[in-house]
Amino acid sequence: AQSVTQLDSQVPVFEEAPVELRCNYSSSVSVYLFWYVQYPNQGLQLLLKYLSGSTLVESINGFEAEFNKSQTSFHLRKPSVHISDTAEYFCAVSHASGGSYIPTFGRGTSLIVHP
Amino acid sequence: EPEVTQTPSHQVTQMGQEVILRCVPISNHLYFYWYRQILGQKVEFLVSFYNNEISEKSEIFDDQFSVERPDGSNFTLKIRSTKLEDSAMYFCASSRQVRIDTQYFGPGTRLTVL
Repeated sequence: AQSVTQLDSQVPVFEEAPVELRCNYSSSVSVYLFWYVQYPNQGLQLLLKYLSGSTLVESINGFEAEFNKSQTSFHLRKPSVHISDTAEYFCAVSHASGGSYIPTFGRGTSLIVHP
Repeated sequence: EPEVTQTPSHQVTQMGQEVILRCVPISNHLYFYWYRQILGQKVEFLVSFYNNEISEKSEIFDDQFSVERPDGSNFTLKIRSTKLEDSAMYFCASSRQVRIDTQYFGPGTRLTVL
């Protein structure tokens, strides 16, 4: 079985400040890792993913996440946030091969960017 | 850009009543899913559907739940006799492939059971 822990339910931050949203996972097999974002009144959107290769992955809007196998983490970072980044962020994990591709999600972190 | 739509956005029902949540997946997608999120808790997988049958389901998806693709465009989730603990946000998703990163999610239906 696999699980995901998002340690912070809410992260308030001022505009242009850096932010880190934490995600830790547990799994007995190799995994794929994902971050989804949900803006108000919208569905979950894939923000970035780690499947294989480089452990540092980036999104088109300046977010990045690093897969750390030894610490079983996939923290999401942005060096300078905007008001428009205010949203709910979900970390998810799925099996990389064999078994089910059905993801296990964390409970989400609400990022609140203040002017 | 194509998107998954869900109706209604908010449904209020009495305990014991049947509810049907509706989803219109992206037209050329083959795999369909339902997830739910109880307030303050994790997004949980309920069921996946492919080729007109359930391909995978979780422990949550018991006999009170059923899914159907009644026509070429809709994908529905029925809860036969709602309980208070069914109150949650229900998300529909669809994909062309089975892998998670290809799933497109709808905006969700908030179900409130009184």
